[in-house]
Amino acid sequence: DVKVTQSSRYLVKRTGEKVFLECVQDMDHENMFWYRQDPGLGLRLIYFSYDVKMKEKGDIPEGYSVSREKKERFSLILESASTNQTSMYLCASSLRSLGTGVFNPQHFGDGTRLSIL
Amino acid sequence: QKEVEQNSGPLSVPEGAIASLNCTYSDRGSQSFFWYRQYSGKSPELIMFIYSNGDKEDGRFTAQLNKASQYVSLLIRDSQPSDSATYLCAVSNQAGTALIFGKGTTLSVSS
Repeated sequence: DVKVTQSSRYLVKRTGEKVFLECVQDMDHENMFWYRQDPGLGLRLIYFSYDVKMKEKGDIPEGYSVSREKKERFSLILESASTNQTSMYLCASSLRSLGTGVFNPQHFGDGTRLSIL
Repeated sequence: QKEVEQNSGPLSVPEGAIASLNCTYSDRGSQSFFWYRQYSGKSPELIMFIYSNGDKEDGRFTAQLNKASQYVSLLIRDSQPSDSATYLCAVSNQAGTALIFGKGTTLSVSS
């Protein structure tokens, strides 16, 4: 089974802090993703990565950055946390896309519920 | 902005009935379609994926895809109270680089 592990289930931080959310997958997947999920807004893509040291902006990258130094690890960074970044953060991974627009199934970690006070 | 639309529900069905969940999408170039189940407070869990027009069955679940009409559906046969959850439809963008998620349909199965 695919295992995607997020470092924390619950996290409380203060406004202005730099926050690191870590995600590790054990299936040698090329693709990794960070989403946030908010009531009424659904899942929104923040950043994704196709390979080590590669990153692409998703729909809502403002206020976030990412790092992928190793294939199995994808980190999300909140440069200066704000209260509007309180949310559920979900990491996912998948095998490389099959080409011609065909997308492999994506598997999620358990999520990190982040509160910014 | 490419969109995936789902009826938010709640969809209520009695135990043992068939639950039918529907999803429409706007990007005609989408090639890959997924259904995820999400229990309250948990992360999404992959249930089904389908790439070709027609039906795909896995146990009590059947995914149906009609690319001409741009809709994908999920049928759950012999619904159980444990099927009560939010079901997310996800569709790949035309480039196949990312998924676009619907906001989900809440299913309630009563015993």
